[in-house]
Amino acid sequence: DAGVIQSPRHEVTEMGQEVTLRCKPISGHDYLFWYRQTMMRGLELLIYFNNNVPIDDSGMPEDRFSAKMPNASFSTLKIQPSEPRDSAVYFCASSTPTGGSYNEQFFGPGTRLTVL
Amino acid sequence: QKEVEQDPGPLSVPEGAIVSLNCTYSNSAFQYFMWYRQYSRKGPELLMYTYSSGNKEDGRFTAQVDKSSKYISLFIRDSQPSDSATYLCAMVPMDSSYKLIFGSGTRLLVRP
Repeated sequence: DAGVIQSPRHEVTEMGQEVTLRCKPISGHDYLFWYRQTMMRGLELLIYFNNNVPIDDSGMPEDRFSAKMPNASFSTLKIQPSEPRDSAVYFCASSTPTGGSYNEQFFGPGTRLTVL
Repeated sequence: QKEVEQDPGPLSVPEGAIVSLNCTYSNSAFQYFMWYRQYSRKGPELLMYTYSSGNKEDGRFTAQVDKSSKYISLFIRDSQPSDSATYLCAMVPMDSSYKLIFGSGTRLLVRP
């Protein structure tokens, strides 16, 4: 299994530009999560989907952030317009119920975003 | 105040040492307690998880949960240079089994 795939791995952009981050979850996983990691705030959940439907977006910081999941194998996180304080590593993770007591989340390698 | 507090370190120990990593939390509704390991420039990976209070052992790793004190620990025995990474504790509240709340992570360096 290829694991969770994220692209691009690195993104450098200028303030005001639109940024789109992409994620392909593990095949068969029906939960998808977007996280942001910074030195100041650590790893924070932004939004998660179940069967392509957003379940909880309470962690999305502002209206400049939006996420979509058009199908079971693809999701995007978009920032428009981007600001320097959005610089962070963005992780995508996926999971599926296994019948056990806890459903592990599998993380992708992350996208390192720098907004100048 | 953050819901989950974790000393950022760095923690530097010689190879073979016993390592103790800790987190405190404020929300008594947390039910699952996890430890993730994150190597530099990689995504976190689940190391261990426990449900409610007690101990859980897996090889050189032992996780402890003390719900009365709102305190969790991860012990690493016979630490190896390959254990050098950032260790993040994470917790799941009762009302949402998918909403992980992470600590800020402790950087561990095991010196050969």
